[in-house]
Amino acid sequence: SQKIEQNSEALNIQEGKTATLTCNYTNYSPAYLQWYRQDPGRGPVFLLLIRENEKEKRKERLKVTFDTTLKQSLFHITASQPADSATYLCAFSLNGATNKLIFGTGTLLAVQP
Amino acid sequence: KAGVTQTPRYLIKTRGQQVTLSCSPISGHRSVSWYQQTPGQGLQFLFEYFSETQRNKGNFPGRFSGRQFSNSRSEMNVSTLELGDSALYLCASSFRTGGSNTEAFFGQGTRLTVV
Repeated sequence: SQKIEQNSEALNIQEGKTATLTCNYTNYSPAYLQWYRQDPGRGPVFLLLIRENEKEKRKERLKVTFDTTLKQSLFHITASQPADSATYLCAFSLNGATNKLIFGTGTLLAVQP
Repeated sequence: KAGVTQTPRYLIKTRGQQVTLSCSPISGHRSVSWYQQTPGQGLQFLFEYFSETQRNKGNFPGRFSGRQFSNSRSEMNVSTLELGDSALYLCASSFRTGGSNTEAFFGQGTRLTVV
């Protein structure tokens, strides 16, 4: 069956370090991969989108990679800050004809000051 | 530009009742999707509407239904509520269906508690 797994339920890092979150998938051939941030009691907020033919995308302190051979995406936050503490979700869109997203389980990131 | 608006924010219902949740997408967005979020199952896709037509449906029982109006506003309905329907229901709007611009804008959600 189709499955998306994010590396861990929780990740604790020190302020200023780089946080690396992992998203692995099986039995998919996603067309697009997206990363969202979700704070408690709020809806997810879009961060980055990367297509299957793109290896890397950057936006300010954020970087996402997409390896279709390893069936994995890595999400990096450099120079992390306590304000980056949240749950981060990866999501796939299987084709370009739908907005249906299949979400991973999420990783709760805690950045310690 | 106003964001996605979901009403109500909180609801408490009794088993067996039915409930209707509302979603107003961002102005100009014609695609609306609904998701259910629970601690055990995470975010799961319910349905997607574009120009009043259901384009996709997730793996949920027929008690879950939805519709979209000509102004792109959407409603979802859950009949014969069960305790397991307690969840955060999220609505997401997008400018169009598919393509490279598939960024989804989520509302704050409706927290439904079934007792």
